[in-house]
Amino acid sequence: GENVEQHPSTLSVQEGDSAVIKCTYSDSASNYFPWYKQELGKRPQLIIDIRSNVGEKKDQRIAVTLNKTAKHFSLHITETQPEDSAVYFCAATSGTYKYIFGTGTRLKVLA
Amino acid sequence: GAVVSQHPSWVICKSGTSVKIECRSLDFQATTMFWYRQFPKQSLMLMATSNEGSKATYEQGVEKDKFLINHASLTLSTLTVTSAHPEDSSFYICSTRYQETQYFGPGTRLLVL
Repeated sequence: GENVEQHPSTLSVQEGDSAVIKCTYSDSASNYFPWYKQELGKRPQLIIDIRSNVGEKKDQRIAVTLNKTAKHFSLHITETQPEDSAVYFCAATSGTYKYIFGTGTRLKVLA
Repeated sequence: GAVVSQHPSWVICKSGTSVKIECRSLDFQATTMFWYRQFPKQSLMLMATSNEGSKATYEQGVEKDKFLINHASLTLSTLTVTSAHPEDSSFYICSTRYQETQYFGPGTRLLVL
């Protein structure tokens, strides 16, 4: 069935360094890829998304890249700050709008 | 983005009772809402897709008679956990779909004693 793999499951970086989280999807019909940030006990918040007709998208310190051929997409956070510490989820969806979520990455930014 | 509210934010109940959770879309009309369940340190598990004016679509393994979903209006969907048991204790989150993006409610933490 449809599946999204996410790596790593945990990631610790020093403040100011970059963090990269990678996802791989199985459904070739997937055409929309959002990324969510979830702080402890709170709702997932959309931080960036990308559509299949675009290879890269950037918003200040965060960027997402998409390789449709390899079915990979990645989240890049530069100049990390302690407030970036959270769990990050990738997701993939096709025209059904049902999301397939990755398993999550717990990011810890060390001050 | 869309604004989604959820009520209650947390609830404690006894085994065998039923609990109703409300999900409201505050700034647009949502024909589709999603209900998720999230265990500690785990990902979001889709339970069902709620469609306004029609029956919900349940994911495989989710008991429709245990998790009753009603989407009677374009701004409100409810999830009722019937005859709750301790294993139903979890974080329940709804979301609404606005264009391609899902926006999540704040979640309801359910503890069944």
